[in-house]
Amino acid sequence: GIQVEQSPPDLILQEGANSTLRCNFSDSVNNLQWFHQNPWGQLINLFYIPSGTKQNGRLSATTVATERYSLLYISSSQTTDSGVYFCAVGPQGAQKLVFGQGTRLTINP
Amino acid sequence: IAGITQAPTSQILAAGRRMTLRCTQDMRHNAMYWYRQDLGLGLRLIHYSNTAGTTGKGEVPDGYSVSRANTDDFPLTLASAVPSQTSVYFCASSMDYRNTQYFGPGTRLTVL
Repeated sequence: GIQVEQSPPDLILQEGANSTLRCNFSDSVNNLQWFHQNPWGQLINLFYIPSGTKQNGRLSATTVATERYSLLYISSSQTTDSGVYFCAVGPQGAQKLVFGQGTRLTINP
Repeated sequence: IAGITQAPTSQILAAGRRMTLRCTQDMRHNAMYWYRQDLGLGLRLIHYSNTAGTTGKGEVPDGYSVSRANTDDFPLTLASAVPSQTSVYFCASSMDYRNTQYFGPGTRLTVL
């Protein structure tokens, strides 16, 4: 099956810093989503982005489907950005998402 | 608007017992999903349903069953719970499988 690799696995930053999270996938996809799981366990959808670039406030994401990767950018980090960020992809022909292992982001005040 | 609700919030269960986790959405989404989340293993799909009346197997379906009698409800049943089913269970829904998935708050299940 499709492999989804996220990097880095852990990231510790000071408030105000910028960060880039990467998601590599091993096969063609028709669906790619980024999620944030906060420290209380709640999963929030950030982006639905099978290709192209999207921005939402301090967050933006870019997916280059032909090169099989996606990037999530967080600018001017805040402590509320802490948590685990998951990339999930939908393989071509499959009606489901496969999740990566996540990047744990810690923003210190 | 409630979105997706799950019940119970948490449960401790004796091995061998039958348990049904409930999931209800009020967004009229066609597709619904059940995932389990285990430390170090991310989220893994158990079962899914693309529309009422249909279901499909995910990555880890063994020991679980689902039904989709109507659009809003998607219960997950453990027929005879085992300790390896200790996990946090998340229900999700989307308009269809290519659209944004929305997650419920989760059910923490401990099987002793």
